[in-house]
Formats: sequence, structure tokens, C-alpha cells
Amino acid sequence: EIVMTQSPATLSVSPGERATLSCRASQSVSSNLAWYQQKPGQAPRLLIYGASTRATGIPARFSGSGSGTEFTLTISSLQSEDFAVYYCQQYNNPCTFGQGTRLEIK
Amino acid sequence: QVTLRESGPALVKPTQTLTLTCTFSGFSLSTSGMCVSWIRQPPGKALEWLARIDWDDDKYYSTSLKTRLTISKDTSKNQVVLTMTNMDPVDTATYYCARILEDTAMVIDYWGQGTLVTVSS
Repeated sequence: EIVMTQSPATLSVSPGERATLSCRASQSVSSNLAWYQQKPGQAPRLLIYGASTRATGIPARFSGSGSGTEFTLTISSLQSEDFAVYYCQQYNNPCTFGQGTRLEIK
Repeated sequence: QVTLRESGPALVKPTQTLTLTCTFSGFSLSTSGMCVSWIRQPPGKALEWLARIDWDDDKYYSTSLKTRLTISKDTSKNQVVLTMTNMDPVDTATYYCARILEDTAMVIDYWGQGTLVTVSS
């Protein structure tokens, strides 16, 4: 099974600043990597797939990069609604999620 | 408009079998390329993929849970059913059904609201 490791576990950032979240795969997943945002009491929401393609309706401040085993989600200027938990997911073989990064207000 | 809704028991006893139903609208599982998955999330923990069923009735299961899971569909009712045998307290979680974005194998573009299942005697 492919293990997805996210870092850091918790990230404290001030509104308006940039946030960078990392995700590492235990073996190559090519570009078959997605990012989801989850707020308390809600289902996750798709942000990015194919490592860098924004899902429909996702603001341009969210961007994804990487391939193989190293991936990054960048939020360029944090808005209040962006503070949540973020999960990466590999869907190369067949599907595993990371343990999540909690993005909190500094 | 795509919607999915999970239904099933909120409480099951250890060793019992859990049966969850996903009722969806806004798409058809008889359409080529369509797939539905089940994912769960224990309280305060990460997401775990469980199973997937495709429009052509191909089925895929989590390696670690494969022996306990069965996924099926009723296209005429727009429903997908997941059964999990031999339930244990560690299976306490919110169970989500979700639609998979076409031609992506496992990218989830629509989620149900989730249903919390507690396993306790």
C-alpha cells in the first residue's frame, strides 16, 4: 500500500500570508495526486487533482505542484475561510489519503 | 445537480454486519465512466478509502478490508450498497459515499453528507 505522509501536522499562518503544505508518497504516484479541504462537520471538498489542476469553482489562490513522490499545495493569500484541514490523496494504486494538515490562524 | 445521501443504522453491535445505502441523483451509474466510492473517517482521524463500483459493475476494495466488504449497485434505483461484516468498535466512523470524477479513477468531486456509525454493545 502506498503511504502518504503530510507535513506539517499543524500549520499556523496569519490571514493574508502564504501557506505551503507538503505531501510525500512512499513510492511514485506520477501526477495522480489530489488535495481536499475539510471543515468541521462537513464532507471534504475537492481542490486540486492531477497534482496541479484546480477543480471547478476553486479560487486561483490555491495551487498545486509536484510529481512522483513530492507534492505541494500552496495557498497564496490566506482568507478566513481557508482555515481547515487539508488532505492529500494518491489515486495511482488504488487510493490512499494522507493523515491531514490542520491549517490554523496564527 | 449531483447529490448523494447515505442511509443506514447509527448503531451496530460488535460482530454484526453493517449495511449502508447510498442514494444519488444528478447522474447515472449506467453511464460509461461513472463510478461511486465509499470512504470512512473515524472521529478526529483521517480519511480511509473502502471500495469503488464502476458503471460496468467492476468492483475494487481496500486491501486491508477486502475480506469484509461487498459493494453493489441498483442502477434502476440510483443506489449503491456497501456491506461490512464482523463490525468492531474500531470501525466507528462517519461513512461517506462519493462520486468519482469521470476518467480519473478515484478523484472525488461530489460527497454525501456522511453518516456516523457507532459500533458498541
